[in-house]
Amino acid sequence: DTAVSQTPKYLVTQMGNDKSIKCEQNLGHDTMYWYKQDSKKFLKIMFSYNNKELIINETVPNRFSPKSPDKAHLNLHINSLELGDSAVYFCASSHTFGLAGDQETQYFGPGTRLLVL
Amino acid sequence: SQQGEEDPQALSIQEGENATMNCSYKTSINNLQWYRQNSGRGLVHLILIRSNEREKHSGRLRVTLDTSKKSSSLLITASRAADTASYFCATDDNAGNMLTFGGGTRLMVKP
Repeated sequence: DTAVSQTPKYLVTQMGNDKSIKCEQNLGHDTMYWYKQDSKKFLKIMFSYNNKELIINETVPNRFSPKSPDKAHLNLHINSLELGDSAVYFCASSHTFGLAGDQETQYFGPGTRLLVL
Repeated sequence: SQQGEEDPQALSIQEGENATMNCSYKTSINNLQWYRQNSGRGLVHLILIRSNEREKHSGRLRVTLDTSKKSSSLLITASRAADTASYFCATDDNAGNMLTFGGGTRLMVKP
């Protein structure tokens, strides 16, 4: 009955490989997000999807491609992995998106720890 | 640069003491949120305070917001060892499009 789940929890891979991280939420939320948290714990938004539609793309290299097959899922595919991609990636979801003019509470998944060797 | 910046970056206190963390931000906001992150875990929402509110309480948490100074504080009273975590403030942009997180305050509560 996990609200926001991510798989895998850990991912260790070689430079140049392509990998995917999956995210699912069972909260009935309309909006989902991907964040990257670096080694210094800075959390930066990468993408936001609202009802399967891309809303935010925060200057992320196009090696990163999010895909939302339905509003409960937002997957992240990364091509040609680089050393600097090593980080913890968090998926999150929220109920509304700017309908009340502000950003509602976000619910985070447990994170995927990516290590690129 | 980060929209929200926490101060201090790290805080170590004894169980039972109060912990105060501050957050400053740069642009106008609709709301400010505080999140907690335990080591190796995702962020958990603690409290949301809207721009027209000045103070909010939730259990042992007290949050203040001063929009004239563009700052907020999170007070945890009677801290417990289980409060050991990183605490992040997050602000939404005026368009309500997204949250921007600060760098966090790492709180350690010693038993």
